[in-house]
Amino acid sequence: QVQLQESGPGLVKPSETLSLTCTVSDDSISSGSYYWDWIRQAPGKGLEWIGAIYDSGSTYYNPSLKTRVTISVDTSKNQFSLRLTSVSAVDTAVYFCARRPAGCSSTSCLPFDFWGQGTLVAVSS
Amino acid sequence: SYVLTQPPSVSVAPGQTARITCGGNNIGSKSIHWYQQKPGKAPVLVVHDDSDRPSGIPERFSGSNSGTTATLTISRVEAGDEADYYCQVAESGIDLYVVFGGGTKLTVL
Repeated sequence: QVQLQESGPGLVKPSETLSLTCTVSDDSISSGSYYWDWIRQAPGKGLEWIGAIYDSGSTYYNPSLKTRVTISVDTSKNQFSLRLTSVSAVDTAVYFCARRPAGCSSTSCLPFDFWGQGTLVAVSS
Repeated sequence: SYVLTQPPSVSVAPGQTARITCGGNNIGSKSIHWYQQKPGKAPVLVVHDDSDRPSGIPERFSGSNSGTTATLTISRVEAGDEADYYCQVAESGIDLYVVFGGGTKLTVL
């Protein structure tokens, strides 16, 4: 079954850019059947959706993070990536990548079916 | 943006029934998904589209959704059900968005 694995620095300095990559195994990221999402969870807090990319390159972002977030895809490596600029301590969190089937009805879209294990990123000088 | 409201905590004795609510404006018109998250782990889908269970999820987990409240019900609660539970909705229209509730900590007494 599909596997997702986050990778990237565990420590980022304030005002710098956080960059993470999610490597997808046993599924093609360009199949056209899924959204590929980033979600984060600050220590002791709830889940926060960051954004998503669809295989065509269409991107969707949380309005609260939109000015600082870029999600991109590298189909040759079967990876998608997250860039978050101008980070501060509030961006310290476990960052998850996840897959979500691309079906949407008139009312709602499908749930996340596979997640990565998550990677902790601390923002500190 | 759309807001989903969950109680911070619910406590229940083993063998009893736990009900975790998720409130939102006209939530009954949307499809709600529920995730279970244990410490240090990624969330796991336990109910999707209001009341459907993924394969491998016990029948003890069920869901409903009407009006302004969606509910996750866990029957015959076991110690292993102690976890955080999140409701979630995703919509596509002019733009696509995903929203999680704030999460509910289920404590098995």
